[in-house]
Order: sequence, then structure tokens, then C-alpha cells
Amino acid sequence: GNSVTQMEGPVTLSEEAFLTINCTYTATGYPSLFWYVQYPGEGLQLLLKATKADDKGSNKGFEATYRKETTSFHLEKGSVQVSDSAVYFCALSDSGGYQKVTFGTGTKLQVIP
Amino acid sequence: DAGVIQSPRHEVTEMGQEVTLRCKPISGHNSLFWYRQTMMRGLELLIYFNNNVPIDDSGMPEDRFSAKMPNASFSTLKIQPSEPRDSAVYFCASSPPGQGARGYTFGSGTRLTVV
Repeated sequence: GNSVTQMEGPVTLSEEAFLTINCTYTATGYPSLFWYVQYPGEGLQLLLKATKADDKGSNKGFEATYRKETTSFHLEKGSVQVSDSAVYFCALSDSGGYQKVTFGTGTKLQVIP
Repeated sequence: DAGVIQSPRHEVTEMGQEVTLRCKPISGHNSLFWYRQTMMRGLELLIYFNNNVPIDDSGMPEDRFSAKMPNASFSTLKIQPSEPRDSAVYFCASSPPGQGARGYTFGSGTRLTVV
């Protein structure tokens, strides 16, 4: 079946540091890939997505590139802010059917001033 | 647009009691999902409705859990009887026609504590 593996957290960074959160996946066919963000006390929000190989998703300074050869979708940001502190989830959805979503376990990011 | 609305935000109940969680999806969204989030297991899909019909309930943990969607604007998740291991945050999400995961909108969740 499908699966998503994320790096263990928590990740603690100083403000303006470079962020990478690793994500690899296992899936059949050609899944779509997503990053969601969850702020404290809230539901998940879609951060960015990529629907085919070599696509780059981007939003709010975050980027991730769909790498089919390495089955990866790593999240990056050049300069993090305190307001980026949250839990980040990597996810994939099937290409067929009802596009069932499989989530990773989440990586908590804490940015300190 | 008010987003996906869940109630209550917090629920504390005693073991053995019945618990009902409620969800109002975004108007026009025809897919609805119930998820459970725990530290140990992360996010688990419990059940998926499309056009008010349950399509995939393979994630429902056991017969104590049941979900209904009587119309396009309302869904419930019921646990009877509740147990301490049911303590978790329960999320509802909805999606517009044809968008699947690309169109997911999550509610703010219900934090359930069973003592």
C-alpha cells in the first residue's frame, strides 16, 4: 500500500535559518504530493502541492519538488520566521479512485527568535 | 465562507458514555472525510462520504464507531460506548467535486477526552 515517511521532529531553528524537512513516499502509479501545515489548535491547511514528476510546488516562501527518481518531496524554505512554527505533514493521494490521502506522521518545527 | 465547522471543540466524557461529534462541510463540497489524530498513530482516515453515501469505512476501528451523513450539510460521528483509548482529536474535512485531496478543507477539530 501507499506510505509516507517524514523525518522525526522536533526541528528547532533560529529565525532566518534554512529549513529542510525530508519526505519520501511509496506508491503505485503516479500520486499527487502535498505538504500540509497545522498550527496549534487548528486543522490542517494545504501549504503546497505537486501533481507530476519534476513539478515544483511553492507557497509563502516554501518549496518542494516532486522527485520521482528518488521518490521524495522535501520541503524547503530559505529563511524561516517565528510564525512558521507549526507541524508539517507530507501527504500523497492516489491517482485514481477517490484519491485517498495518506499522511506522514508530521514534523514539528519550532523557530526561536 | 465559514469553512468546515465542527462541534464541540472540546468534549470530556466518562468511559461508557455515548459521544456524538458533528460536522458541517463547506456548501457545495460533495466529499466528506472523518479523520482521527493521535500522537501514536498520527492521522487516520476513519470514513469517507461522497454525495452523502459512505464509500470507504475501512478505517472505522470497530463497531462502537458509526458515522452518518443524512444530508449534504451535516454529518455525525458517534462512539458508543466510549473508551479511554478513543481519546484523540477528530477532524472533519470536505472537498469540492472532482478535486480530491487538492481541495481538502479541514475543520478545527474536536478534542475528545474519555476518562
